[in-house]
Amino acid sequence: NAGVTQTPKFRILKIGQSMTLQCTQDMNHNYMYWYRQDPGMGLKLIYYSVGAGITDKGEVPNGYNVSRSTTEDFPLRLELAAPSQTSVYFCASSSRQNTEAFFGQGTRLTVV
Amino acid sequence: RKEVEQDPGPFNVPEGATVAFNCTYSNSASQSFFWYRQDCRKEPKLLMSVYSSGNEDGRFTAQLNRASQYISLLIRDSKLSDSATYLCAVYGSGNTGKLIFGQGTTLQVKP
Repeated sequence: NAGVTQTPKFRILKIGQSMTLQCTQDMNHNYMYWYRQDPGMGLKLIYYSVGAGITDKGEVPNGYNVSRSTTEDFPLRLELAAPSQTSVYFCASSSRQNTEAFFGQGTRLTVV
Repeated sequence: RKEVEQDPGPFNVPEGATVAFNCTYSNSASQSFFWYRQDCRKEPKLLMSVYSSGNEDGRFTAQLNRASQYISLLIRDSKLSDSATYLCAVYGSGNTGKLIFGQGTTLQVKP
């Protein structure tokens, strides 16, 4: 039982490069989330989705884009990477409102 | 004002101590509340849900105070293994799906 899977686990980007962080879940959850966590800080919500074809901005959406074409996948796109985007990115999913969220193992991204 | 706020600590306590953390939320219509535990550089995992009537699981007790808009986590008889960061999480109102986390409170239990 894989749960929430994120790839890659680590990545170094150069300033101005773009990349897509992959997230997939096999629990048939409707809700999916992307968070970033800076050192010593909590989780900040970037984008979230309550179902295929539906996405909403979270607390810190600037510099990111998402899509949700299937229930299973919720990729996060970084365009024109900046050093301020150096962080650990967590993807999470939950079955519906007011239920436990399950997290992937995170992607550690460094922009140099 | 942030939607969810926690005192980041760190809280340094000796083994066997009782320690309590609070988490305040700004949206009075928030529906559900959780405490997550995060070990260093790992993904957060659910510790316990917070019910209106309170919730107890062994040495851990979670409570909700809607009037003052905060939730609390009480840890009794602290163990070395309790050292971690504790994050509160709050779902918004309606079925928006928006799930916001606090900054996290770091607990260090000393021998």
